[in-house]
Amino acid sequence: AQSVTQPDIHITVSEGASLELRCNYSYGATPYLFWYVQSPGQGLQLLLKYFSGDTLVQGIKGFEAEFKRSQSSFNLRKPSVHWSDAAEYFCAVGKGGGGADGLTFGKGTHLIIQP
Amino acid sequence: DVKVTQSSRYLVKRTGEKVFLECVQDMDHENMFWYRQDPGLGLRLIYFSYDVKMKEKGDIPEGYSVSREKKERFSLILESASTNQTSMYLCASSLKTGVYGYTFGSGTRLTVV
Repeated sequence: AQSVTQPDIHITVSEGASLELRCNYSYGATPYLFWYVQSPGQGLQLLLKYFSGDTLVQGIKGFEAEFKRSQSSFNLRKPSVHWSDAAEYFCAVGKGGGGADGLTFGKGTHLIIQP
Repeated sequence: DVKVTQSSRYLVKRTGEKVFLECVQDMDHENMFWYRQDPGLGLRLIYFSYDVKMKEKGDIPEGYSVSREKKERFSLILESASTNQTSMYLCASSLKTGVYGYTFGSGTRLTVV
């Protein structure tokens, strides 16, 4: 069965600094990978997704992620964070690869932005 | 944009009550999902449906059932609510293959007292 690990429960970053959130997955074949963001009291919003092609994926709000098969990783990056980026971030992998029968989520990383 | 609407943002129910959580999507998506979200545990899949009247168990179906009588509506039912079902419940929908990602509702925070 697939699994997702987000090693950092909390990350604190200064406003304007760069950001990298880590995600490691376990899946036998080529996975379908997603990053979601959740602002307080809200549902989840899709930031970006990968399922084939270019391993560097661009998303909304200036985020990007890189798929590295050799490291089983799909880390999320942003060159300069804004106070509005403070939120919970979830990495997910499609069950059975595709996601049609559910996503398996990591436990999330809580991002705190210092002024 | 696809909208997924959950009928209640907050619910308080008593132990033993039968609870219905409703979810409606407006973009003709084939698949619909119910997750619960708990601090430190992330999101866990309860049930999903890939067609009308079809349902599949997720990772934690015990204590729950679902109903999908129309394509746009997916209901989560707690037959006899218990305090350990106090949680945030999130509904989502997707196209058939799921590869384009899911659209989530804003969630229902259920408290069972």
